[in-house]
Amino acid sequence: EAGVAQSPRYKIIEKRQSVAFWCNPISGHATLYWYQQILGQGPKLLIQFQNNGVVDDSQLPKDRFSAERLKGVDSTLKIQPAKLEDSAVYLCASSLVLKQGVRTEAFFGQGTRLTVV
Amino acid sequence: AQSVTQLDSQVPVFEEAPVELRCNYSSSVSVYLFWYVQYPNQGLQLLLKYLSGSTLVESINGFEAEFNKSQTSFHLRKPSVHISDTAEYFCAVSGGAQKLVFGQGTRLTINP
Repeated sequence: EAGVAQSPRYKIIEKRQSVAFWCNPISGHATLYWYQQILGQGPKLLIQFQNNGVVDDSQLPKDRFSAERLKGVDSTLKIQPAKLEDSAVYLCASSLVLKQGVRTEAFFGQGTRLTVV
Repeated sequence: AQSVTQLDSQVPVFEEAPVELRCNYSSSVSVYLFWYVQYPNQGLQLLLKYLSGSTLVESINGFEAEFNKSQTSFHLRKPSVHISDTAEYFCAVSGGAQKLVFGQGTRLTINP
């Protein structure tokens, strides 16, 4: 079974530029997550989708970050314009929802390491 | 809303010694609990999970965790650690249809 695919693996941009990350979850996984992991910290949830609807985006800086999940499959996360403090690893994950409504564990991609200079 | 507190940011131990990594959570609904491991320069991998049933859950590499509802804890233990267990360990909680929240992580360092 293929895992969660993310691209690119690495990205270096200058501040005020824009950047986009792409994620393809495991087939059949209804839930998709985007996390930001700053060096030395735990993953911080930016946005969680259930199919193509947003479950939670309370910690997404909406003035500069946006995310979409068209057709409830793959997803893109965009930052525009980027700031120095956006330097982090951006993780995408997906999980399955069982018939009882229980959500199983999240499976993570390798992440995109963003450096803003 | 859920939250997770990992009580130790770093835990150094000697090889073959026992270890406990502590995790406390808060949630207003029934919870699902997870421990993830992140080896150096690698992605997050599931170590073990509690969804329902037995409160003691085990991983294939000797770790175990016990769900304690009264103390709202899900501590991770291993009776004898190996150098290869050196990694960052993250506790996470999810409540029903609610979001999956991670703790700040505990860096486990094994000394020979």
